[in-house]
Amino acid sequence: QVQLVESGGGVVQPGRSLRLSCAASGFTFSSYGMHWVRQAPGKGLEWVAVIWHDGSNKNYADSVKGRFTISRDNSKNTLFLQMNSLTAEDTALYYCAAYSGSSYRYYWGQGTLVTVSS
Amino acid sequence: QLVLTQSPSASASLGASVKLTCTLSSGHSSYDITWHQQQPEKGPRHLMKLNSDGSHTKGDGIPDRFSGSSSGAERYLTISSLQSDDEAYYYCQTWGTATNWVFGGGTKLTVL
Repeated sequence: QVQLVESGGGVVQPGRSLRLSCAASGFTFSSYGMHWVRQAPGKGLEWVAVIWHDGSNKNYADSVKGRFTISRDNSKNTLFLQMNSLTAEDTALYYCAAYSGSSYRYYWGQGTLVTVSS
Repeated sequence: QLVLTQSPSASASLGASVKLTCTLSSGHSSYDITWHQQQPEKGPRHLMKLNSDGSHTKGDGIPDRFSGSSSGAERYLTISSLQSDDEAYYYCQTWGTATNWVFGGGTKLTVL
């Protein structure tokens, strides 16, 4: 059974940092590109970042470039998102998602809530 | 600029069919897309990859009631025999440069 379980969310003050984790199980983690997608309260889905299956390439949305860093540990089947210089506009539910371009398979987590507030 | 446009809302009766539309921006009519469903208070769920020629590959466990089709820059999701738990947001998504994802604004489907 495929599972993606996000953690690390919480309430943080503007300008501070937070690190999200996504623990994967039930599929071959090292074969999948991994993404972070966020959803602000009452809004739609916004893509945040991607990391290649082997960690060799990364890409970011313009809204987070230079502040967020995506990484992965294939030995521990875990994805990370380091978020620095947080602002109120980063308040959202953050989902991790796995995607295989060869099989067109997607897996989604249930999300972890990040609230940036003083 | 690559943009996906969806109607904000749609509604149909229990047991009926509904066709949701996702429109690709000018110059991008050959793009494949994928459809995701988000039920209330849940994470998204992948429904299907939909190609520009109308062929589609469904996600695991997606019932036959869900189908896709394409016409020009339009990509469609048809849900037949509507059930109450089909009430959800439906997002189309495609792939931009450097494998980033682009989402449509989502359509809220109400089952009457």
